[in-house]
Amino acid sequence: DTAVSQTPKYLVTQMGNDKSIKCEQNLGHDTMYWYKQDSKKFLKIMFSYNNKELIINETVPNRFSPKSPDKAHLNLHINSLELGDSAVYFCASSQVAGYSPLHFGNGTRLTVT
Amino acid sequence: GQQLNQSPQSMFIQEGEDVSMNCTSSSIFNTWLWYKQEPGEGPVLLIALYKAGELTSNGRLTAQFGITRKDSFLNISASIPSDVGIYFCAGRVNNDMRFGAGTRLTVKP
Repeated sequence: DTAVSQTPKYLVTQMGNDKSIKCEQNLGHDTMYWYKQDSKKFLKIMFSYNNKELIINETVPNRFSPKSPDKAHLNLHINSLELGDSAVYFCASSQVAGYSPLHFGNGTRLTVT
Repeated sequence: GQQLNQSPQSMFIQEGEDVSMNCTSSSIFNTWLWYKQEPGEGPVLLIALYKAGELTSNGRLTAQFGITRKDSFLNISASIPSDVGIYFCAGRVNNDMRFGAGTRLTVKP
C-alpha cells in the first residue's frame, strides 16, 4: 500500500547511457514532482506536473525529460548521462495545488561511472 | 527563486535535551512544512503550517508559522535517539516548494 513508489531504488550506469526512473502514486493526487538531492543533501525541484501539464521547469538540462502517461505516474527520462547527474532523485505528489504538503517516495540513487 | 536559510546546519545533543531549529526567507510563503529524512528514505512530513502565526504540535514536536510569513521554527522536546536524522524546512507557494539545506541532528544516548 505504498503511497509514492519509485523504481529502481539503485541505478548504476555509464556515462553516455540513457536511463529512466519510474514513479507512481496511489494517493489520488493531481500534482507530481521530481526533486534532485545532491551529496550535501540539498533538495532542488526539477519538475512538477499537474493534469499532464508541465508547470515548473527549473534550469534543468534538456537531457532530462519528464513523462506523465496519466496523473498517477510521472517518469523521468535522462539522455546522455554525465558524471554530475549522480544524485538521489525523489518523486513526490500533492493533492491540491498551492497549500497541500508533498508526499515523497524513497528515492532512486543514480550513480554514473 | 526563493531561498530558504535554515539553521543550524548540524546539532549534537544529549538525549533528553530540547532542540530548536529555524528557517527564514526573503519571500512570503503560503505554507510552511517540516520534514525529517532518515538514511535511505525520502523526506517524511512532520508538521504542516497553513496560517501566519499558527502554532502546531505533533507529540514532542512544535512548529510555528511566522507572522511575517517569511519564517518558521521547529522545536523538539526531550530528544530521544530515534530523533536522529536530517530535518528540512520547506516553504510552498502555488506549485513551487523550496527546501532549506537541512539540519543534521545527532542525539547521544
